[in-house]
Amino acid sequence: GAVVSQHPSWVICKSGTSVKIECRSLDFQATTMFWYRQFPKQSLILMATSNEGSKATYEQGVEKDKFLINHASLTLSTLTVTSAHPEDSSFYICSARQGRSGNTIYFGEGSWLTVV
Amino acid sequence: GEDVEQSLFLSVREGDSSVINCTYTDSSSTYLYWYKQEPGAGLQLLTYIFSNMDMKQDQRLTVLLNKKDKHLSLRIADTQTGDSAIYFCAELQGGKLIFGQGTELSVKP
Repeated sequence: GAVVSQHPSWVICKSGTSVKIECRSLDFQATTMFWYRQFPKQSLILMATSNEGSKATYEQGVEKDKFLINHASLTLSTLTVTSAHPEDSSFYICSARQGRSGNTIYFGEGSWLTVV
Repeated sequence: GEDVEQSLFLSVREGDSSVINCTYTDSSSTYLYWYKQEPGAGLQLLTYIFSNMDMKQDQRLTVLLNKKDKHLSLRIADTQTGDSAIYFCAELQGGKLIFGQGTELSVKP
């Protein structure tokens, strides 16, 4: 079946540095990808919708300059957490919508970010 | 997640059926989904149902949709210990998935 891959699975970075997380759709094209954040024992919080070839749409309260999203191809979206702080430590999950308006949405394995 | 609601916990014995319930609020939602999340992992798409259907069955999984009451359920037949996980329902609203809080299913041997 369709697979969405995230990399890295986990990353530890120092406060003030930036870290990039990749989300790839491995066997389908994804015009739209989504980035979520999840805290322990909680539901997923949508951060932004990433559209191939255009600017991402951010949810209310999400800082665009802090969470940079790039969707340069139909199979790759990246999330860069800039000037990371300990409060940015979280589980970040991406998802990809199959096709231009498909109804199947697959999720990646998630990326654990720890900022020390 | 405030538009989609689920009970937080469900405990069943191995071999029994599990029924996880979900209510949603947007009657214009076209698709409704069930995802499974194991500890520390991403979300696995289990099944989804189009809003003009009442039921969908896929092996041990049965999804029931009551559009009038905006109620969605997932039934897992012959529940196994490997089914222990958090189950999220989600509705597709304006091109975005809106999730419930998740139901933690615990299967006791």
